[in-house]
Amino acid sequence: DAKTTQPPSMDCAEGRAANLPCNHSTISGNEYVYWYRQIHSQGPQYIIHGLKNNETNEMASLIITEDRKSSTLILPHATLRDTAVYYCIALPLNDYKLSFGAGTTVTVRA
Amino acid sequence: GAVVSQHPSRVICKSGTSVKIECRSLDFQATTMFWYRQFPKQSLMLMATSNEGSKATYEQGVEKDKFLINHASLTLSTLTVTSAHPEDSSFYICSATRLAGGNYNEQFFGPGTRLTVL
Repeated sequence: DAKTTQPPSMDCAEGRAANLPCNHSTISGNEYVYWYRQIHSQGPQYIIHGLKNNETNEMASLIITEDRKSSTLILPHATLRDTAVYYCIALPLNDYKLSFGAGTTVTVRA
Repeated sequence: GAVVSQHPSRVICKSGTSVKIECRSLDFQATTMFWYRQFPKQSLMLMATSNEGSKATYEQGVEKDKFLINHASLTLSTLTVTSAHPEDSSFYICSATRLAGGNYNEQFFGPGTRLTVL
């Protein structure tokens, strides 16, 4: 599975959009980009996934570059409850082994 | 929908005893469940994959005789930490995938079980 690289941490202001980058320059054609997050002392939560088109759901938007070598998760209006570690994972659709790297620790400040 | 529960949420035990952790999918049938371990300030590490009615598949470095996994039904998997030692103290998290119709990689995670071995 393709390795992903994320910044270790970032801060954002409450009410503002949070843009979380992820680099996956070695991603292969059948690998999707998945985003999960883990709020402190809880199990991870699925956010969104995509292959090459931009995706949006009730939680976030996922923007994948045309060459698929990087992507950005957008939390449109960050709240204090969005403070968590966010994981970007590249994985084929029919694979199940989620490999959680270090992720990005996002701190939303009032 | 797609709720996964774990019990207990927190357990403290003496060294040498065994501890059983339950993972249940409350509103869906899960063909596959996964067990993860997370040490403080570290990321989740997959321990094993559990399929209903068959033996679990363990990741490299995970002792199958120490971490016994049973997946007796489509809604229940159990992890038993046998002869627990302080180094087994960790946050244990399970996840489950839906039986059919869902995205295979949309895993639903339980809230985790904090194990402390004295």
